[in-house]
Amino acid sequence: DADVTQTPRNRITKTGKRIMLECSQTKGHDRMYWYRQDPGLGLRLIYYSFDVKDINKGEISDGYSVSRQAQAKFSLSLESAIPNQTALYFCATRSTKGPDNEQFFGPGTRLTVL
Amino acid sequence: SQKIEQNSEALNIQEGKTATLTCNYTNYSPAYLQWYRQDPGRGPVFLLLIRENEKEKRKERLKVTFDTTLKQSLFHITASQPADSATYLCALVYNFNKFYFGSGTKLNVKP
Repeated sequence: DADVTQTPRNRITKTGKRIMLECSQTKGHDRMYWYRQDPGLGLRLIYYSFDVKDINKGEISDGYSVSRQAQAKFSLSLESAIPNQTALYFCATRSTKGPDNEQFFGPGTRLTVL
Repeated sequence: SQKIEQNSEALNIQEGKTATLTCNYTNYSPAYLQWYRQDPGRGPVFLLLIRENEKEKRKERLKVTFDTTLKQSLFHITASQPADSATYLCALVYNFNKFYFGSGTKLNVKP
């Protein structure tokens, strides 16, 4: 089973709808991240969380909110989706114990807002 | 904010040759720099890390250099293979918590 899972994998929605993207991990990592990826812009950080009670805004948090329901679950919400939120969304986790501080990414959610 | 430049044009090389990818940045140097590989439709996968006080790091056919004076990291794949074809992203890490990713360079290795 994958260590970091994201649901749904693909979603098409309409402008103004509320959308929730979910992320679960079995790695036992305390740190979790949400990114969006757009062609030519790379990965941009939306929100990150160091533990259940510690949530921080990233580079582009406007229009998004998050919830860390448990150490293993971190969800991203778009309260009122707009077309320029069409992108590929990635969840990632990170442990502070390893030597390389690498992030482990989920498979991504492709979101299209019409 | 930090600006990271990776060549947006794809790099096309012949199998067996060495591929060299570049990551340039502005502003102050990060605590360390990471390289990731991303295949189409999948999340990035970590490859290597190099710290600001390290000049070079190697792992099998991979080599990374880090020049804080030039504000540049080079990523080399020696004896490249078609299976190395992917997009490679660099990530700058500040204060061990803030990650900034480049947009990536696509590598095509032709047989």
